Amino acid sequence: RKEVEQDPGPFNVPEGATVAFNCTYSNSASQSFFWYRQDCRKEPKLLMSVYSSGNEDGRFTAQLNRASQYISLLIRDSKLSDSATYLCVVTRDNYGQNFVFGPGTRLSVLP
Amino acid sequence: NAGVTQTPKFQVLKTGQSMTLQCAQDMNHNSMYWYRQDPGMGLRLIYYSASEGTTDKGEVPNGYNVSRLNKREFSLRLESAAPSQTSVYFCASREVGDSPLHFGNGTRLTVT
Repeated sequence: RKEVEQDPGPFNVPEGATVAFNCTYSNSASQSFFWYRQDCRKEPKLLMSVYSSGNEDGRFTAQLNRASQYISLLIRDSKLSDSATYLCVVTRDNYGQNFVFGPGTRLSVLP
Repeated sequence: NAGVTQTPKFQVLKTGQSMTLQCAQDMNHNSMYWYRQDPGMGLRLIYYSASEGTTDKGEVPNGYNVSRLNKREFSLRLESAAPSQTSVYFCASREVGDSPLHFGNGTRLTVT
């Protein structure tokens, strides 16, 4: 089993749709959690950190369930510019030095 | 506001050649990282430096060496390039605690 797993995708959705991505992690010692987006042939860019209480940034909402070792990302009112690969990232240990990246889920928002 | 700067952006090497990938950050971050990204494999950690003067192996260190030249700069060296090292290489940095990684633009390396 991979340390971080994500929905295999790709997700093809129309503009304006709501889409949810799921991520599970296997290391119960993981401390920090993030969602990154990566455009084709570009570097990963931080979308948002994920906090235990859940957090929202505009159209994006992230949730964390430590008991189930599960993270989610919800995108509301999808835009064409949201088309990208979304990476779930967790830290491997209590010291936060080792980040583990999920394989990513590709999203295409269609006009 | 440069952030993390990597050079070169593209490089083609022949098997057995050597080269150094350069990385510099201007955010005064303590920790710096080198990752490689291959299709279907995700990002994998090659080496990292938790602070100036320290370096540690990551998941895939074989065939690579690193130098943390100072707080700003962290270089990755391929002593004898192999086709299996064809990849996209990303440098990243972060502050301590729960802070996220900040990535450079990447270096696309092809070894023939």
